[in-house]
Amino acid sequence: NAGVMQNPRHLVRRRGQEARLRCSPMKGHSHVYWYRQLPEEGLKFMVYLQKENIIDESGMPKERFSAEFPKEGPSILRIQQVVRGDSAAYFCASSPLTGTDTEAFFGQGTRLTVV
Amino acid sequence: DQQVKQNSPSLSVQEGRISILNCDYTNSMFDYFLWYKKYPAEGPTFLISISSIKDKNEDGRFTVFLNKSAKHLSLHIVPSQPGDSAVYFCAASEKYGGATNKLIFGTGTLLAVQP
Repeated sequence: NAGVMQNPRHLVRRRGQEARLRCSPMKGHSHVYWYRQLPEEGLKFMVYLQKENIIDESGMPKERFSAEFPKEGPSILRIQQVVRGDSAAYFCASSPLTGTDTEAFFGQGTRLTVV
Repeated sequence: DQQVKQNSPSLSVQEGRISILNCDYTNSMFDYFLWYKKYPAEGPTFLISISSIKDKNEDGRFTVFLNKSAKHLSLHIVPSQPGDSAVYFCAASEKYGGATNKLIFGTGTLLAVQP
């Protein structure tokens, strides 16, 4: 049973370009969470999605950031017109159901560098 | 507004001794607490958790203590091993009351276990 898969592991973008980060949850998991870790900081919640639905996007910047989790395929975190401040590690986690005793499992992250 | 705080950025312990990592929180709605371990360039790995109805949970060398009145939890590792050297994150959620696995993380404590 493969774990949470994120790709790419490393992504370099020039200022103004778009960044697309992908997350395939563990098999059987229908809930996906995206977190961002800025240098020297903890992980900050960004968005929580279920299949085809955004449940909680309270941590997402209002502009340039969007997320989706389509019926088929991975969850995508999209950052338009990237700026240097977007450079960070972006982690995805997945879980089966809420309110259960099963924890969320994290992927290895995508390290975005904006040059 | 930092709802979960880890006030010690780093901790150094001798191999075989006890490591104690501390965490404080402010949100009384949190009902589930977790500790994650993280190596550089990897995603967080779940270690141990505790629900707010308990005050202690033990798993092998790892024990988590929860003091609800003080809004404080701690992770004890005994005996400490060099392989335990990593960054440890405390996290909290409204897992049962809020039916969410959305995690609020502390800023982490870097544990160094000296041989």
